[in-house]
Amino acid sequence: NAGVTQTPKFRILKIGQSMTLQCTQDMNHNYMYWYRQDPGMGLKLIYYSVGAGITDKGEVPNGYNVSRSTTEDFPLRLELAAPSQTSVYFCASRPWRGSQETQYFGPGTRLLVL
Amino acid sequence: DQQVKQNSPSLSVQEGRISILNCDYTNSMFDYFLWYKKYPAEGPTFLISISSIKDKNEDGRFTVFLNKSAKHLSLHIVPSQPGDSAVYFCAALGNQFYFGTGTSLTVIP
Repeated sequence: NAGVTQTPKFRILKIGQSMTLQCTQDMNHNYMYWYRQDPGMGLKLIYYSVGAGITDKGEVPNGYNVSRSTTEDFPLRLELAAPSQTSVYFCASRPWRGSQETQYFGPGTRLLVL
Repeated sequence: DQQVKQNSPSLSVQEGRISILNCDYTNSMFDYFLWYKKYPAEGPTFLISISSIKDKNEDGRFTVFLNKSAKHLSLHIVPSQPGDSAVYFCAALGNQFYFGTGTSLTVIP
């Protein structure tokens, strides 16, 4: 049982490049989330999904896109990378909305945009 | 606007003593609160939680206290151990999870 996995662990992008951060969970969780953590800050929600085919914006969605074609995968797309997107990105999953069960986090992807 | 606040960026405690980490929130509609622990280069991991219908929850060395009237929660670690050195985030559940900025705890052997 791998839990939540994220790839890559680290990436350097040039301004204007695009990339996809991958996230996979093997716990059959309905809810999945993408957060970013900037230095000295808490986690900010970018996008979330309540199930396959359903996604919604969080606090800081600008510059990102997501899709959820399967229960397991929730990729995050950066189309035109900007220095402001330099951050650590965490993916998380959770069983279902009514449950107060906690989120399970992946190990994070560190992104540097130069 | 930061709805969950941790006003102490760092805390140092001697091994064996009590560590107290504090968290304040602004939204009275939050009904569930959690503490996460984070080591460098890893994702946050769940530590302990408390429902708004309770004022205390205990799990081994970790106790969370909730004061709803003050919109304040705290995490007590007794006794503190060097392995507890990490960043601790509090979070609150409303229509989504809201996280504080974290407190870096150092337990000195």
